[in-house]
Amino acid sequence: SQQGEEDPQALSIQEGENATMNCSYKTSINNLQWYRQNSGRGLVHLILIRSNEREKHSGRLRVTLDTSKKSSSLLITASRAADTASYFCATVLNFQTQGGSEKLVFGKGTKLTVNP
Amino acid sequence: SQTIHQWPATLVQPVGSPLSLECTVEGTSNPNLYWYRQAAGRGLQLLFYSVGIGQISSEVPQNLSASRPQDRQFILSSKKLLLSDSGFYLCAWSVGAEQFFGPGTRLTVL
Repeated sequence: SQQGEEDPQALSIQEGENATMNCSYKTSINNLQWYRQNSGRGLVHLILIRSNEREKHSGRLRVTLDTSKKSSSLLITASRAADTASYFCATVLNFQTQGGSEKLVFGKGTKLTVNP
Repeated sequence: SQTIHQWPATLVQPVGSPLSLECTVEGTSNPNLYWYRQAAGRGLQLLFYSVGIGQISSEVPQNLSASRPQDRQFILSSKKLLLSDSGFYLCAWSVGAEQFFGPGTRLTVL
C-alpha cells in the first residue's frame, strides 16, 4: 500500500495566492522529500526534511514535518502560473537500507493548477 | 555537472514485441540507479534498483527485467510486452537521499 498519501488530490488557485498541500504517511521515516512533476516530464527534487527537523524553507517553499502525526505539508507562497504541476511527497523508510540504496516510496500526488 | 539521459522519449509497440529502454548517467560515479513506472494520474511505482554493476533488485514481480552492464548504464527490458506494460517509465539516480530523474519514456502497448 502507499506509504505517502497527499491531499488534496487536486487544487486550483489564483496567481498570488498561497497553495498548501499535505502528505500523511504510515511508518517511521528517515526523511521526507517533496518532488515536482510538470506534465509528461520527469520529477524534480524540491526539498528534503529530516525526521529531526520540524520546518524547512527554500525560496517560496515552506515544508513542515510533524512526526507525531506522521504528516507533512508543503506551502508555496505567492504562487505563479509556472507553479502549475503535480507535487509528490516521498518517504525513506527507516529499514530501507539494504544494499546501501535509499528506496523512496511516493504518494499519488497533488495536481496544482495556478490560474493567471 | 551530472546529467541523466533516457531514450526513446515515446514508444509505441505491439503486444508480444520485445522492449529495451536505456538510461545513462553522466558526471557521477557508482550511483544507485532506479527504474520507476507511473500509471496515468498515479504516483510512482519502483520497479528495479541497482547499487552496482550487475546488481539488480526487483521490487515487484512482473513481465520486465533490468540490467546494469556498465556503472552508469541501466536498461529495462521485456521479451514480450503486455497491454498492462503501458505507462510512463522513469529512470533515476542517487548518491545520497535525493534522487534525480530522467525525462521519462512514454510507452504505449497496442
